[in-house]
Amino acid sequence: QVTLRESGPALVKPTQTLTLTCTFSGFSLSTSGMCVSWIRQPPGKALEWLALIDWDDDKYYSTSLKTRLTISKDTSKNQVVLTMTNMDPVDTATYYCARIPSSGGSCYPYYFDYWGQGTLVTVSS
Amino acid sequence: QSVLTQPPSASGTPGQRVTISCSGSSSNIGSNTVNWYQQLPGTAPKLLIYSNNQRPSGVPDRFSGSKSGTSASLAISGLQSEDEADYYCAAWDDSLNAVVFGGGTKLTVL
Repeated sequence: QVTLRESGPALVKPTQTLTLTCTFSGFSLSTSGMCVSWIRQPPGKALEWLALIDWDDDKYYSTSLKTRLTISKDTSKNQVVLTMTNMDPVDTATYYCARIPSSGGSCYPYYFDYWGQGTLVTVSS
Repeated sequence: QSVLTQPPSASGTPGQRVTISCSGSSSNIGSNTVNWYQQLPGTAPKLLIYSNNQRPSGVPDRFSGSKSGTSASLAISGLQSEDEADYYCAAWDDSLNAVVFGGGTKLTVL
């Protein structure tokens, strides 16, 4: 079955760089049309999409955060890594990774069918 | 400020039918399909509706989705207490080259 699990530090200091890893099983990111995405949710607030990477190593980023984000994949390890630079207390949130299934060799229409449980990251000095 | 607009709250009594709206623009809902997610308290979101009106396996047919122009709706019929959750709409935005979410609607079952 498909599972995803996020891992990374629970606490980071302002200005530091956050590195999160999504380790998944039950599918391969080398399959045509498969994608993995990151989404975050500040406490008590709405979901915010961050980035996605596809099987062909194409990457898409949130317009407002693109200068701070980098997404990458290690297909052999079934992992997707997200880095976010210059962390600020407003970046405190639960960070989720999610799978976008292949639809006819494409990630379109970009829906998230499996989610990880999320990892809470607090930014504080 | 979310790109897609949802009412912050909705409510209904058990057995009732409730609808939640999601308003966008020509670059997102107007040209792409809409997906809906349910988030129960303290849990990760769950896919509820994809491609405007498709239900993943295991989602009861009490949940249905529709789209018209630049707006979409989620309908829940035969409301149950376990439907109390936050509901989010989402779509791809061609101008932003990004997935955009609504601000979420908190559904209360009275």
